[in-house]
Amino acid sequence: AQSVTQLDSQVPVFEEAPVELRCNYSSSVSVYLFWYVQYPNQGLQLLLKYLSGSTLVKGINGFEAEFNKSQTSFHLRKPSVHISDTAEYFCAVSYAGGTSYGKLTFGQGTILTVHP
Amino acid sequence: DAGVTQSPTHLIKTRGQQVTLRCSPKSGHDTVSWYQQALGQGPQFIFQYYEEEERQRGNFPDRFSGHQFPNYSSELNVNALLLGDSALYLCASSVQGLTNYGYTFGSGTRLTVV
Repeated sequence: AQSVTQLDSQVPVFEEAPVELRCNYSSSVSVYLFWYVQYPNQGLQLLLKYLSGSTLVKGINGFEAEFNKSQTSFHLRKPSVHISDTAEYFCAVSYAGGTSYGKLTFGQGTILTVHP
Repeated sequence: DAGVTQSPTHLIKTRGQQVTLRCSPKSGHDTVSWYQQALGQGPQFIFQYYEEEERQRGNFPDRFSGHQFPNYSSELNVNALLLGDSALYLCASSVQGLTNYGYTFGSGTRLTVV
């Protein structure tokens, strides 16, 4: 069965500091990887996605992520965070074929809190 | 351009009752997926509809059923509600064949079962 593990449930950080949110997944087949952000009382907004090609993916709001196939990881990074980045972040995986095509499996989420 | 619209935004039901949640996909999208997000958890896939048929289903009991209409909108029905069904229900739309290019999510329906 496919699974996604977000290694930190909460990450506190000061404004303008760098941040990394960690995500590992289990898979023996090709995958697509996503990071979503959820603000309070809202749905999910896509930050970035990896489908193929370059392992470094750039997304919205200055976020980027690196796909590491050997470590089955897809960590999210931002060099300098803002107060407005405070939200919950979800890593998700979709498998490239088979019966799970098109279905997203999410991690448990990481709450990023940016302090002034 | 309207995104995904879900209704109602909040709902309180009594254990044992039935509930229907509604979703209108983003313009141009033909596939609708439903997710359940319990408090403090990541969303879990319930099922996906395309061409008015259920195409995939997650590990949810038959109490959870759905429908897709010719205009691509969708309903999620839950029968015999349990306290554990309390959650945020998210609808996501996409274009079939381009599903892995990302979904557009609605803001969700918060269901509370008392």
